[in-house]
Amino acid sequence: SQELEQSPQSLIVQEGKNLTINCTSSKTLYGLYWYKQKYGEGLIFLMMLQKGGEEKSHEKITAKLDEKKQQSSLHITASQPSHAGIYLCGAASNDYKLSFGAGTTVTVRA
Amino acid sequence: GAGVSQSPSNKVTEKGKDVELRCDPISGHTALYWYRQSLGQGLEFLIYFQGNSAPDKSGLPSDRFSAERTGGSVSTLTIQRTQQEDSAVYLCATSGGSYEQYFGPGTRLTVT
Repeated sequence: SQELEQSPQSLIVQEGKNLTINCTSSKTLYGLYWYKQKYGEGLIFLMMLQKGGEEKSHEKITAKLDEKKQQSSLHITASQPSHAGIYLCGAASNDYKLSFGAGTTVTVRA
Repeated sequence: GAGVSQSPSNKVTEKGKDVELRCDPISGHTALYWYRQSLGQGLEFLIYFQGNSAPDKSGLPSDRFSAERTGGSVSTLTIQRTQQEDSAVYLCATSGGSYEQYFGPGTRLTVT
């Protein structure tokens, strides 16, 4: 099965500061997904990356995919309290199953 | 409905009892997944349904776990003789054919 390692496991950032989360896969990535989960809730889809070098942005969140490194990064600019939560990366194998990383817990301090 | 719904949202049960968790998918989504998320852990794949094909049960942790999907729509995950280690959030996700999966809010199961 595909293993995904996320780093850091958790981070605390001052409101207004930037942060980056990394996700590294043990296998070739056919698609890399970023989800956000608030405590006690389901997962909210953020974005999907499929092509090497692809970069997508939504509001203040940018994700990049480095296919050669089998790695993706999620970057949040000028963090807000609404950015707090658990960020999970998921990777699709060639049979549509998603494997997920353990998640990165983000705390934003005012 | 507009999204994936799951019921109940919370379930507390005694060790040894059976529980049923329900997932109502987005209309038209042929693929349905069950995942389990234990405290501090990532999501663990349990089972996958795709249309009328035989389900992929490779993620079910033991024979106490089973799932059905009736008429290609609603799915039920059943856990028999629950154990304390079954305590987790059980998430259902559905997909309309792309890789993108839409998740329900989950069922938080607590086995006492």
